[in-house]
Amino acid sequence: IQLTQSPSFLSASVGDRVTITCRASQGISSYLAWYQQKPGKAPKLLIYSASTLQSGVPSRFSGSGAGTEFTLTISSLQPDDFATYYCQQVHSYPITFGQGTRLEIE
Amino acid sequence: EVQLVESGGGLIQPGGSLRLSCAASGFTVSNTYMTWVRQAPGKGLEWVSVINSDDSTFYADSVEGRFTISRDNSKNTLYLQMSSLRAEDTALYYCAKGTKGQGCDFWGQGTLVTVSS
Repeated sequence: IQLTQSPSFLSASVGDRVTITCRASQGISSYLAWYQQKPGKAPKLLIYSASTLQSGVPSRFSGSGAGTEFTLTISSLQPDDFATYYCQQVHSYPITFGQGTRLEIE
Repeated sequence: EVQLVESGGGLIQPGGSLRLSCAASGFTVSNTYMTWVRQAPGKGLEWVSVINSDDSTFYADSVEGRFTISRDNSKNTLYLQMSSLRAEDTALYYCAKGTKGQGCDFWGQGTLVTVSS
């Protein structure tokens, strides 16, 4: 199953609302996770089951979607949010990741 | 406290073999969904392999037949045996724990594998 994220690169400002889209090449129900990765660090799970917020993750992060189209929304960007974001389908093997969306400060 | 510490990476010639280890603490690997994910320098994340709580294993097409995931419950350690290594296997290898169908909620810091002559 191929995952395509858009955009691949996003420039935004603190306080902005941003949305990242992940499209699956076939239906994956709600078996989608979102991760945040900062340079030199391991990925961090933000969202699982498409819309469930992982414990400890700020509520400004939210996920939605089912089937083949999913979104990750950050309601009000904070300085700590500038990072690369990946979606991952965990519906079937082989598990796959999207190519990533790099979020940078405008 | 949950901890995952990878080791075993290094410089290896093409065609060689290497075994990565991931020592776990704070939980038991024996009944946990455990995965390996790699990241080539400057590139995105690539899922490599998983061992489920029922001991079933699955692999990415790119490593099928060359890599083997396993665990030693007595040592609470996850392994990735890698053979017939290629230049394109060069990456930082992460181990991670998670839940089937939900992704991985805890990751190690990774061990670097460089395949080069």
